[in-house]
Amino acid sequence: GAVVSQHPSWVICKSGTSVKIECRSLDFQATTMFWYRQFPKQSLMLMATSNEGSKATYEQGVEKDKFLINHASLTLSTLTVTSAHPEDSSFYICSARDFAGEGGLKTDTQYFGPGTRLTVL
Amino acid sequence: GQNIDQPTEMTATEGAIVQINCTYQTSGFNGLFWYQQHAGEAPTFLSYNVLDGLEEKGRFSSFLSRSKGYSYLLLKELQMKDSASYLCAPMDSNYQLIWGAGTKLIIKP
Repeated sequence: GAVVSQHPSWVICKSGTSVKIECRSLDFQATTMFWYRQFPKQSLMLMATSNEGSKATYEQGVEKDKFLINHASLTLSTLTVTSAHPEDSSFYICSARDFAGEGGLKTDTQYFGPGTRLTVL
Repeated sequence: GQNIDQPTEMTATEGAIVQINCTYQTSGFNGLFWYQQHAGEAPTFLSYNVLDGLEEKGRFSSFLSRSKGYSYLLLKELQMKDSASYLCAPMDSNYQLIWGAGTKLIIKP
């Protein structure tokens, strides 16, 4: 399957600092990438949909000024958590949409990065 | 509204077969995905069904009935490493995946 990388895999930062997380599709071009957040023992929660070359679409309740998303190329999207606070500590996971195939045999699959565990002190 | 229903937890024995059921209600439908998620890790893709029927891939098979809003994941010859959460995720008309809490599968020797 397609490979998605995410960096860093974990980060510890002080309250008030900003953290940038990178998501890359390594062997395919992804016009759409998704950012999720997952708290312990809870399901994935979609934060925003990132489309290459345009503004991200944020889910209700997600502050766009706090979670800055940039999708500058077909293989890279970044999520910046600005002025992070302890309540932002979570597992952040990106996925990249691989829309492939020819004719009537197209597949549309999301492949996930390994995730970034953020701890804000 | 959109809804996913899966058992919260299942237990099975190593070497056995287990079937994880999923019923769903979505606004539109563009296929259904099954993902495996080990504790502390991101989900990994297992299968994708867009047409009715059974898709077999090694020890794992996935079935879909669109008219019933029903899917199942069948795991054969269970191994200890199969202990994980299994997430059923249909894709709605906006091509967004709808996530439930998943089924935690516990494999016992």
